Amino acid sequence: LAKTTQPISMDSYEGQEVNITCSHNNIATNDYITWYQQFPSQGPRFIIQGYKTKVTNEVASLFIPADRKSSTLSLPRVSLSDTAVYYCLVGERYGGATNKLIFGTGTLLAVQP
Amino acid sequence: DGGITQSPKYLFRKEGQNVTLSCEQNLNHDAMYWYRQDPGQGLRLIYYSQIVNDFQKGDIAEGYSVSREKKESFPLTVTSAQKNPTAFYLCASSRLSGPTNYGYTFGSGTRLTVV
Repeated sequence: LAKTTQPISMDSYEGQEVNITCSHNNIATNDYITWYQQFPSQGPRFIIQGYKTKVTNEVASLFIPADRKSSTLSLPRVSLSDTAVYYCLVGERYGGATNKLIFGTGTLLAVQP
Repeated sequence: DGGITQSPKYLFRKEGQNVTLSCEQNLNHDAMYWYRQDPGQGLRLIYYSQIVNDFQKGDIAEGYSVSREKKESFPLTVTSAQKNPTAFYLCASSRLSGPTNYGYTFGSGTRLTVV
């Protein structure tokens, strides 16, 4: 199972762009990279998923280099409500149990006024 | 609205009692999962199921049991054999095939406290 490494915590200010990088050196050919956001006492919420290059949706961008050994979640112009834990996971596209997703401790992003 | 419903939101258990946490989904997802989260920690997998009447142990299955009699339902029983059951429990589901994919969908969680 691919293991991910990401910073334990990050600080930012409102309006700034935040980039959280995740390392996954043992990513397999059929693995996708998925990011989740979790607020206290809530279940994680899907943010974005990608396989290679760049993916963008209404809330974030995901940058994946050609070797796919890392990925960077980019949050544009963060607000106080973006304070949460962000998890990077690698695994089969649907989170299939044959290659079940493993959650690490995530990155606690603290956004200051 | 499609989604996953966990109940109850808060649950208190006396030592030595078994308790069952409910998880229902109307997303027509094939796979369902139970995770445990302790304060300041990531999620740890307890059990998962890909198909009705079949399930597999995760990393911390001891002291827990599950059933999957219906595709929509995956209840978790925390037995008296679980020595430290106080935690936040999360249920999730996912597709195993198809043209679209959004990873896991999580419920809102059940916070279990032993009193």
